[in-house]
Amino acid sequence: KQEVTQIPAALSVPEGENLVLNCSFTDSAIYNLQWFRQDPGKGLTSLLLIQSSQREQTSGRLNASLDKSSGRSTLYIAASQPGDSATYLCAVFQGAQKLVFGQGTRLTINP
Amino acid sequence: DAGVIQSPRHEVTEMGQEVTLRCKPISGHNSLFWYRQTMMRGLELLIYFNNNVPIDDSGMPEDRFSAKMPNASFSTLKIQPSEPRDSAVYFCASSLGTSGITEQFFGPGTRLTVL
Repeated sequence: KQEVTQIPAALSVPEGENLVLNCSFTDSAIYNLQWFRQDPGKGLTSLLLIQSSQREQTSGRLNASLDKSSGRSTLYIAASQPGDSATYLCAVFQGAQKLVFGQGTRLTINP
Repeated sequence: DAGVIQSPRHEVTEMGQEVTLRCKPISGHNSLFWYRQTMMRGLELLIYFNNNVPIDDSGMPEDRFSAKMPNASFSTLKIQPSEPRDSAVYFCASSLGTSGITEQFFGPGTRLTVL
């Protein structure tokens, strides 16, 4: 059974810092991986989708990497801003369409 | 595009009552997913549909839960009878699906409280 772990569970950093969120999964036979952010009381917003054949994907200040062989993905956020404060969720595609989620990292950016 | 639309946004009901949650996927998407989010278990897939057909309902917790997708633009998740342990946020998501593995887009969720 696929298990997805995100470390740390919570992170608080001052504004302007670069930071890395970690995601690991137990079964490396995944298809794709998707990163989301969730604001309190809101739905999930898709940030990046990394296909299994890719090693990284970039969108603005965000960069996500994928290393299937080691069962890891990282989300890099450059020049963090208070508006980046949210919970970040990693999810792996187990099979064509089934997403298995981690528990998330709650990020706080302090002004 | 309006995105995935869910209704109601909040539902408070008493134990034993029937609850119906509704979802309208993004136009043109042919895969639809129902998830449940709780503090204890996080986000879990309940069921998903391709072209209105249920493909995998292994995540549905028990027979009290049922889901339908009568057409490409509408799906329901029904709980009958509801129990306090069903209290959670229920999300609907959609994706293009047919071209392979694609990005899923989530609705705002329905916060269900069963008293």
